[in-house]
Amino acid sequence: DGGITQSPKYLFRKEGQNVTLSCEQNLNHDAMYWYRQDPGQGLRLIYYSQIVNDFQKGDIAEGYSVSREKKESFPLTVTSAQKNPTAFYLCASSPPYTFGSGTRLTVV
Amino acid sequence: LAKTTQPISMDSYEGQEVNITCSHNNIATNDYITWYQQFPSQGPRFIIQGYKTKVTNEVASLFIPADRKSSTLSLPRVSLSDTAVYYCLVLYNQGGKLIFGQGTELSVKP
Repeated sequence: DGGITQSPKYLFRKEGQNVTLSCEQNLNHDAMYWYRQDPGQGLRLIYYSQIVNDFQKGDIAEGYSVSREKKESFPLTVTSAQKNPTAFYLCASSPPYTFGSGTRLTVV
Repeated sequence: LAKTTQPISMDSYEGQEVNITCSHNNIATNDYITWYQQFPSQGPRFIIQGYKTKVTNEVASLFIPADRKSSTLSLPRVSLSDTAVYYCLVLYNQGGKLIFGQGTELSVKP
């Protein structure tokens, strides 16, 4: 079945560590996106990529990095520079827009 | 990018029709209006999309007046499982970045 897969579902990170969230799609979508969601809030755009080997910053890119070496994959690295990384992270691809099931990151 | 405004929360009872209105005063000619549903700790799920007049599918209807500055999502006969956050978004030519607002938190009571 075609879809978009995020892993892991839950992730714990120690302060000062970098951590990478995986996002893979087999929908042959050109565009991929990363969003962050905090409790009671809407989704905020971190980074997006319209084609392979190209990506742009969204509204809250500071402390995050991405790569788009393959059409199917768009991993997000949460670096130690991100001051408040605990959140729910959603990956999406388009068109049409399809969302993954999310990764909940907690800093311990 | 067009900004959307919708109520923060709404309450309803099982079996009632729920109408959620969204305003998008700066909508552009090539923008489409799209509604998503999100349950806690899940990704948003597409509900319906339209450009003008009325669109209906198996779960909802979308009403868009001629000036396209607002739209109304109609959920017929809601059940407890319709309790979720509903997002109204405008999407340029069915592509591009999705910019989310806070959404409307719908609570359906027995």
